[in-house]
Amino acid sequence: DGGITQSPKYLFRKEGQNVTLSCEQNLNHDAMYWYRQDPGQGLRLIYYSQIVNDFQKGDIAEGYSVSREKKESFPLTVTSAQKNPTAFYLCASKIGTGGEKLFFGSGTQLSVL
Amino acid sequence: GQQVMQIPQYQHVQEGEDFTTYCNSSTTLSNIQWYKQRPGGHPVFLIQLVKSGEVKKQKRLTFQFGEAKKNSSLHITATQTTDVGTYFCAGYSNTGNQFYFGTGTSLTVIP
Repeated sequence: DGGITQSPKYLFRKEGQNVTLSCEQNLNHDAMYWYRQDPGQGLRLIYYSQIVNDFQKGDIAEGYSVSREKKESFPLTVTSAQKNPTAFYLCASKIGTGGEKLFFGSGTQLSVL
Repeated sequence: GQQVMQIPQYQHVQEGEDFTTYCNSSTTLSNIQWYKQRPGGHPVFLIQLVKSGEVKKQKRLTFQFGEAKKNSSLHITATQTTDVGTYFCAGYSNTGNQFYFGTGTSLTVIP
């Protein structure tokens, strides 16, 4: 089946720890996105990538880092510099570089111990 | 910066009543999309509107895009319990290749 796979579903972070959220797609999509969702709020853009080896900061990139070494993969690292990391993280992809529809993964809930 | 405002934030309706959510953008959009997120789930694409004044229907759902391409609405006729979830609009801007999501409207349908 084609789709976007996020792992893990739940993740716990200790103080001062970096954690990495995985996002893999087999849809052959060009663009990939990371969004953060807090309760009762909309989706806020963290980072996005339109092609391999290139990515841009979104509205809330501070405390996060990404890489795009392969077309299929766009991992997100939540660094210790992100002081309020508890949130639901959603990865999305789309086929082109225009306004095509987004396909979302099932999300990762990150909590701080 | 560009913003997309969505109202209301929450809506409780009796089953069978109608429901409407509205989005307003601070700038003109290239297109607007609507997504539905069921409780505990992820957003799923519903529809895309591109043309000024466009109206599209999906069974009991009616979507409109304003003449100035700065506002949009989603109307559900005769709600059912299966309509429960949060509805998001997402305005797309060619400038910067970004989607600007509204804050979402959480719909509760009371049987």
